[in-house]
Amino acid sequence: QVDLVQSGAEVKKPGASVKISCKASGYTFTSSYMHWVRQAPGQGFEWMGIIKANGGSTRYGEKFQGRVTMTTDTSTATVFMELSSLRSDDTAVYYCAKGGVTYQYYIDYWGQGTLVTVSS
Amino acid sequence: DIQMTQSPSSLSASVGDRVTITCRSSQSINTYLSWCQQKPGKAPKVLISAASTLQSGVPSRFSGSGSGTDFTLTISSLQLEDFATYYCQQSYGTPLTFGQGTKVEIK
Repeated sequence: QVDLVQSGAEVKKPGASVKISCKASGYTFTSSYMHWVRQAPGQGFEWMGIIKANGGSTRYGEKFQGRVTMTTDTSTATVFMELSSLRSDDTAVYYCAKGGVTYQYYIDYWGQGTLVTVSS
Repeated sequence: DIQMTQSPSSLSASVGDRVTITCRSSQSINTYLSWCQQKPGKAPKVLISAASTLQSGVPSRFSGSGSGTDFTLTISSLQLEDFATYYCQQSYGTPLTFGQGTKVEIK
């Protein structure tokens, strides 16, 4: 079965960077896509971007351009998302979410989420 | 960006009730619409994609319909485990965008 296991919670100071990992299993990793979506406390979902798992291409949300970097490690079937220049309003749960088999912009599975707290 | 608007924002219902949630997009998205369920402190679970295709393992009491700009999620007979928040999400264009959620509470 598909499983997406994310790294643990992080506490960061304003201006710092955070890098979250998402280890995938249960499907053919290299032919898939991975999304990153965040959810601020008590708020809705915000799409950050998508990466092809073979590391071939990325597409970032305009709001995050210049601050987000998505990478993959095919040897460990792991996707990473790094967000820099953190601000207090970046405090959120960050999710990786697998792109659909037939259409990469569908999401069919979500990771368990990683809470990132930005506080001085 | 494509705006997704759900209604109602919350509802109270009893076990066995038929529940309907609607989602409207700010422009036509064909059938590029998914529904997911989220329980407190948990990751979302995808119920339906392509407006009406049930994901593997999702009970048949869930169904989706619609195309263009208007979509519906129906739970035919509400069960205890269905009390949660439901979100629609469009995959027609980037950025992917989500409805604000509909919280289904116990009456």
